[in-house]
Amino acid sequence: GAGVSQSPSNKVTEKGKDVELRCDPISGHTALYWYRQSLGQGLEFLIYFQGNSAPDKSGLPSDRFSAERTGGSVSTLTIQRTQQEDSAVYLCASAQGAGANVLTFGAGSRLTVL
Amino acid sequence: GENVEQHPSTLSVQEGDSAVIKCTYSDSASNYFPWYKQELGKGPQLIIDIRSNVGEKKDQRIAVTLNKTAKHFSLHITETQPEDSAVYFCAAFYGQNFVFGPGTRLSVLP
Repeated sequence: GAGVSQSPSNKVTEKGKDVELRCDPISGHTALYWYRQSLGQGLEFLIYFQGNSAPDKSGLPSDRFSAERTGGSVSTLTIQRTQQEDSAVYLCASAQGAGANVLTFGAGSRLTVL
Repeated sequence: GENVEQHPSTLSVQEGDSAVIKCTYSDSASNYFPWYKQELGKGPQLIIDIRSNVGEKKDQRIAVTLNKTAKHFSLHITETQPEDSAVYFCAAFYGQNFVFGPGTRLSVLP
């Protein structure tokens, strides 16, 4: 697609429920990143995918967080047993290839855990 | 690992004045430094970037300077306009990842 597409744009859930957030990167972009942005804060790295290589999961805050990328394109970030501290905007970004390439962000998915 | 600091955290300027935001990084292996602008409710958008083999880059009212020896880089916005009001993030590309500064909230007062 023309840009990075994320869905849903807004998600309100109850504490303890599981949520899935979806990212559709720019067509042909092999690098895909997930970041978390808490209210008024900076961008916290979560996970990085590059082509068919094993993902860099070093930023995932707990084992309740996981992500997959099917067919090297669409990615899904899953948060199990959500907690109130998981409330944040989850941003996805993609880039053309590995290395220092231009990173293009989606509009984000705002998650609110009640 | 890499650490990026950014100052100031908030900046208010009068319309037409210049704004400068400064970032420092810790690892000399970082080689690419983008700047992003984030408006309310939107994702960050790239406004300018610089690679480590260049000292300065300019695009209309926006410029970025890089001092590799001191490990700092700065964003300069001239002739500021109300639409420049946003949060600005600097970043350093390190390893396979982008490390972001904490952001600067710029307000341009009419």
